[in-house]
Amino acid sequence: EVQLVESGGGLVQPGRSLRLSCAASGFTFGDYAMHWVRQGPGKGLEWVSSIGWNSGTIGYADSVKGRFTISRDNAKNSLYLQMNSLRTEDTAFYYCARGIFGGDDYGDLFDYWGQGALVTVSS
Amino acid sequence: SSELTQDPAVSVALGQTVRITCQGDSLRSYYANWYQQKPGQAPILLIYANDNRPSGIPDRFSGSSSRNTASLTITGAQAEDEADYYCNSRDSSGSHLVFGGGTKLTVL
Repeated sequence: EVQLVESGGGLVQPGRSLRLSCAASGFTFGDYAMHWVRQGPGKGLEWVSSIGWNSGTIGYADSVKGRFTISRDNAKNSLYLQMNSLRTEDTAFYYCARGIFGGDDYGDLFDYWGQGALVTVSS
Repeated sequence: SSELTQDPAVSVALGQTVRITCQGDSLRSYYANWYQQKPGQAPILLIYANDNRPSGIPDRFSGSSSRNTASLTITGAQAEDEADYYCNSRDSSGSHLVFGGGTKLTVL
């Protein structure tokens, strides 16, 4: 059974940093692209960032580019999102999602999702 | 604003058929995927690559695409289908992933 478990969320002041982690199990993590998607309170889904299976391709939404960094450790079956210079508008549930198998880039499909980690940016 | 446009809300009578649409220029070049999200839950994948259903998804859910519009059809809507539905694809440049704004489905 595919499982994705996010951790690292919490309350943080504007301008500070936070690192999210996603622990994967139930599949060969290193074979799949991975994504971060967020959902603000009462809002729709917003793509944040993606990384290919071998970290060869990485993409960011314009709203987070230059502030957030996605990374992965295939040996630890883990995905990360380093979030710097946080803003109040970054407040959201952050979901880790599995992407496509292999491929030249990270694809556009999210086939399994974690339950999300809440990040609240407030003074 | 999203490059994929969805109607904010749609309603359907129990047992009837409803179509939820997703419009965007990028859909002329890229596949659409569909997700269902119920309150307090993570989204689940319903349809991928326009018209493919993952295992475990009931066959009352189907997808199609024509020109700049992708559609999700629920044939014989059930009470448990009341949820938010999102489409996703790439933007026109192909470099960014995008979601539609979501459609809230009410089953009457």
